[in-house]
Amino acid sequence: QLQLQESGPGLVKPSETLSLTCIVSGGSINSRSYYWGWIRQPPGKGLEWIGNIYYSGSTYYNPSLKSRVTISLDTSKNQFSLKLTSVTAADTAVYFCARGNGGSYFHDYWGQGTLVTVSP
Amino acid sequence: QSALTQPASVSGSPGQSITISCTGTSSDVGTYNLVSWYQQHPGKAPKVMIYEGSKRPSGVSNRFSGSRSGNTASLTISGLQAEDEADYYCCSYAGSSSYVFGTGTTVTVL
Repeated sequence: QLQLQESGPGLVKPSETLSLTCIVSGGSINSRSYYWGWIRQPPGKGLEWIGNIYYSGSTYYNPSLKSRVTISLDTSKNQFSLKLTSVTAADTAVYFCARGNGGSYFHDYWGQGTLVTVSP
Repeated sequence: QSALTQPASVSGSPGQSITISCTGTSSDVGTYNLVSWYQQHPGKAPKVMIYEGSKRPSGVSNRFSGSRSGNTASLTISGLQAEDEADYYCCSYAGSSSYVFGTGTTVTVL
């Protein structure tokens, strides 16, 4: 059974960089059939797609976040990461990592999510 | 890339059917029949209920069905049950390996 687990600081100061890692177990991230992504959800609000990364290393980001986001793969550790620079209070959210089904264009496995608060 | 539009809330009595709409544009829902629907209970991760507009993943009840007409996708829940009370989000492929989520709908079972 595939499992994804987010890890990283729960508190980040304004203007600093948010860094999260998604550890994947029960399957390899080095697969052409899938992609790996990040989605976030501000408290009490809806889901927002952040971006995806494919086995090749190709990345695709939400245009509204593109200038601040970097997603990377570490196949040796079977994990992928998110970096979001110059954070503000508006970046406070639960961050989910997820696997994307490349052939059918949906996210089939999700992590439990981790709350990141941006505050001084 | 604007969020897809969903009604804020929909309610129904046990056993009834309800439909949640998801309105996008010709750049997403209208062009790609690649809408997925997610169910999210409080404090939990989303769970996919429908993909590619109308397909159900293994293990999802056949009470859930999806369709599309023009720029609007719909999720229908038939035989409404107490366990269906949750938030529901649509998500559409929007080209160039990008995605856009809906605004979300809270389903209440009366």
